[in-house]
Amino acid sequence: EAQVTQNPRYLITVTGKKLTVTCSQNMNHEYMSWYRQDPGLGLRQIYYSMNVEVTDKGDVPEGYKVSRKEKRNFPLILESPSPNQTSLYFCASSLRQGFAYEQYFGPGTRLTVT
Amino acid sequence: RKEVEQDPGPFNVPEGATVAFNCTYSNSASQSFFWYRQDCRKEPKLLMSVYSSGNEDGRFTAQLNRASQYISLLIRDSKLSDSATYLCVVSLTDSWGKLQFGAGTQVVVTP
Repeated sequence: EAQVTQNPRYLITVTGKKLTVTCSQNMNHEYMSWYRQDPGLGLRQIYYSMNVEVTDKGDVPEGYKVSRKEKRNFPLILESPSPNQTSLYFCASSLRQGFAYEQYFGPGTRLTVT
Repeated sequence: RKEVEQDPGPFNVPEGATVAFNCTYSNSASQSFFWYRQDCRKEPKLLMSVYSSGNEDGRFTAQLNRASQYISLLIRDSKLSDSATYLCVVSLTDSWGKLQFGAGTQVVVTP
């Protein structure tokens, strides 16, 4: 089944404790992206990657890191999480970069930082 | 000012009725437009792309008005299953890979 998976789905952590949210897709998509969703703000793009070893900042990259060593994986790293990073996070992928291609989203990761 | 703005609703719609709502965007250079559907904080899923000439997919009709910088979505013969949040998505021509999402319009279809 073609899908985007994220782990963990739910995470409660404390300020400053490094964490990684994994994202994997099995559709051989070139483009992958991370978003956060907060009430009243919609989805905001954190980072995106147009292909392996190519990443770029979205609208809200501060406090996050990403890497794209393999085509299928695009982990999101929070080196020192803070309470303002409490949010619902979505990973997405599409066949190619560019607006013409449908984005497929993972099921989301609900992160709480206390 | 937000790049993409939507009326958050909720739009309460009797089953079988028609509902329509708009999304405005601020960047006149925007080239591509989409409607995504999101159920109760689950992942968004593409509903339809919006073409310059307007397009229809079953009970759903999308329109683009470049002069006034808005897109619209109309749902005819509303079903209970249409209850969801509808996200407006806009892509900028000078930023490959970057999409701007609206905060969503909530539609509640009642029996």
